[in-house]
Amino acid sequence: DQQVKQNSPSLSVQEGRISILNCDYTNSMFDYFLWYKKYPAEGPTFLISISSIKDKNEDGRFTVFLNKSAKHLSLHIVPSQPGDSAVYFCAASGVGGGSQGNLIFGKGTKLSVKP
Amino acid sequence: ETGVTQSPTHLIKTRGQQVTLRCSSQSGHNTVSWYQQALGQGPQFIFQYYREEENGRGNFPPRFSGLQFPNYSSELNVNALELDDSALYLCASSWDRGLGYTFGSGTRLTVV
Repeated sequence: DQQVKQNSPSLSVQEGRISILNCDYTNSMFDYFLWYKKYPAEGPTFLISISSIKDKNEDGRFTVFLNKSAKHLSLHIVPSQPGDSAVYFCAASGVGGGSQGNLIFGKGTKLSVKP
Repeated sequence: ETGVTQSPTHLIKTRGQQVTLRCSSQSGHNTVSWYQQALGQGPQFIFQYYREEENGRGNFPPRFSGLQFPNYSSELNVNALELDDSALYLCASSWDRGLGYTFGSGTRLTVV
């Protein structure tokens, strides 16, 4: 049973517009959430994170929103750039999610930003 | 500051064989975690080593084993390879079991 779900396998956005990537989770014990970006033939690269005590975290063009009651988080990229085209993974961690330091990943969403 | 390096980048093995994958952690990182990423899936946690001891394990059978060395390099060993072991294996290092992972580029293992 998937504890972290990214229900959109792909997303296509025009350059300059907003990209919104969504993630749902089932385990209420998760207390820390992260977004990673992955280019082909490279390992995942950390983008931004959020603790469960917050509902928003912002870093430049990237903002993550957390809705604990809905067990939902989203990553907003504004404005989107062609270099943002990659696979984005949502990941979660927490006492209930497994061993300390264990991240549970979603299946990823492939973002394509068209010029 | 060096990143995480993994070797080899690609590997083809026959079912039933054994394989060793290697990882060199980022300088100063004393924790290493290994993940398996099957095609179309997200990375799945295999295990974590902290100061040369296993610190946690995911839902993988005992034929998946690991080692971490005093210089913080590490190995992932898989015995009795099965076709379903074909995947990208990612190594990630961090400081003191923290979540600030730095991932390597992975080893693509194909079992035929």
